[in-house]
Amino acid sequence: NAGVTQTPKFQVLKTGQSMTLQCAQDMNHNSMYWYRQDPGMGLRLIYYSASEGTTDKGEVPNGYNVSRLNKREFSLRLESAAPSQTSVYFCASNRLAGDSYEQYFGPGTRLTVT
Amino acid sequence: DQQVKQNSPSLSVQEGRISILNCDYTNSMFDYFLWYKKYPAEGPTFLISISSIKDKNEDGRFTVFLNKSAKHLSLHIVPSQPGDSAVYFCAASVGSGYSTLTFGKGTMLLVSP
Repeated sequence: NAGVTQTPKFQVLKTGQSMTLQCAQDMNHNSMYWYRQDPGMGLRLIYYSASEGTTDKGEVPNGYNVSRLNKREFSLRLESAAPSQTSVYFCASNRLAGDSYEQYFGPGTRLTVT
Repeated sequence: DQQVKQNSPSLSVQEGRISILNCDYTNSMFDYFLWYKKYPAEGPTFLISISSIKDKNEDGRFTVFLNKSAKHLSLHIVPSQPGDSAVYFCAASVGSGYSTLTFGKGTMLLVSP
């Protein structure tokens, strides 16, 4: 049981290049999330998927697209990277237990756009 | 407008003493609150949560207190240990289940031996 996995761990892009960040969870969770974390900031939600086949915008969706490929996988795509997208990206999934829930996070992808 | 605020960027505590991390929120619709711990180069790890129907939840050394009228919650760690040194994030949501979380900016806790 690996939990939430993310690839790659590190990436350097030039402005205008595109890339896809991959995320997978093996916990059979329905909901998955993409966040970014910048220095001195909390985690800000980019996109989320409440269930397979659905996606919704979060707080900072501009410049990103997502795909919920199946229940396990939720990818984040940068079509034309900009320096403002330099950040650490975290994927998460939700475990619902009765009236409580927890979000489990992956280890993060550190992205630098030059 | 920040809906979840952690006004102390950092906190230093001696080993064995109590650490108290504070969090304020402005959205009265929030009814579920979580605390996460984050070490450098790792993803956040869930610590403890509390529903708005409660005012206290305890799990080992960690206790979360919720004061709904003040829109304030706090995380108490007793006794503090050097391994507790990390950034702590407060998060809130409207409803449990498949809701989205709003995070504070975090408080860096340093526990010295």
